[in-house]
Amino acid sequence: QKEVEQDPGPLSVPEGAIVSLNCTYSNSAFQYFMWYRQYSRKGPELLMYTYSSGNKEDGRFTAQVDKSSKYISLFIRDSQPSDSATYLCAMTTTAGNTGKLIFGQGTTLQVKP
Amino acid sequence: NAGVTQTPKFRILKIGQSMTLQCTQDMNHNYMYWYRQDPGMGLKLIYYSVGAGITDKGEVPNGYNVSRSTTEDFPLRLELAAPSQTSVYFCATAETKGIYEQYFGPGTRLTVT
Repeated sequence: QKEVEQDPGPLSVPEGAIVSLNCTYSNSAFQYFMWYRQYSRKGPELLMYTYSSGNKEDGRFTAQVDKSSKYISLFIRDSQPSDSATYLCAMTTTAGNTGKLIFGQGTTLQVKP
Repeated sequence: NAGVTQTPKFRILKIGQSMTLQCTQDMNHNYMYWYRQDPGMGLKLIYYSVGAGITDKGEVPNGYNVSRSTTEDFPLRLELAAPSQTSVYFCATAETKGIYEQYFGPGTRLTVT
């Protein structure tokens, strides 16, 4: 069993749709949960992070963490063609303060005008 | 302020050849990481460094070596290249107080034939 599982998609939605991206994980020691966005042929960039459980909102993006279910989600409201990218979830523990991230496989999203 | 730079952008190697992937940062970050990204597989950590003179293995270190003599540079050495090392390689950096927010370079696309 992989430590982090993410549906690779691809996911195609019309402009304006609500998008839900999800990851499950098996390591209960994970404390930081991140979503990175990666445009084609570019390096990933951090979109949002959450520490422990709960919700976090930033504009059209909302990140949710449910540690009891070992499940995290990223919601995109009013999706735009510019949101077309691969979205990678990532997680880490605080042990050793090394910043060793475990990534999901990434979900490729296409938002059609 | 260039951020994280990687050279070369592309490279084709023959089986058994060696090469060094260069990574340089001007953000004065202590933490540096090397990842590889295979299609549909997310990113896997190869090696990381928490400061000059300190390196450690990640998930997939076999066939690679690193050194960190300065804060700015973190080269990745491939010895005896194999087709399984065909991948996109990303270097990333992070501040000590924000290790979950990693800043990625543009990547090096390597093909071993």
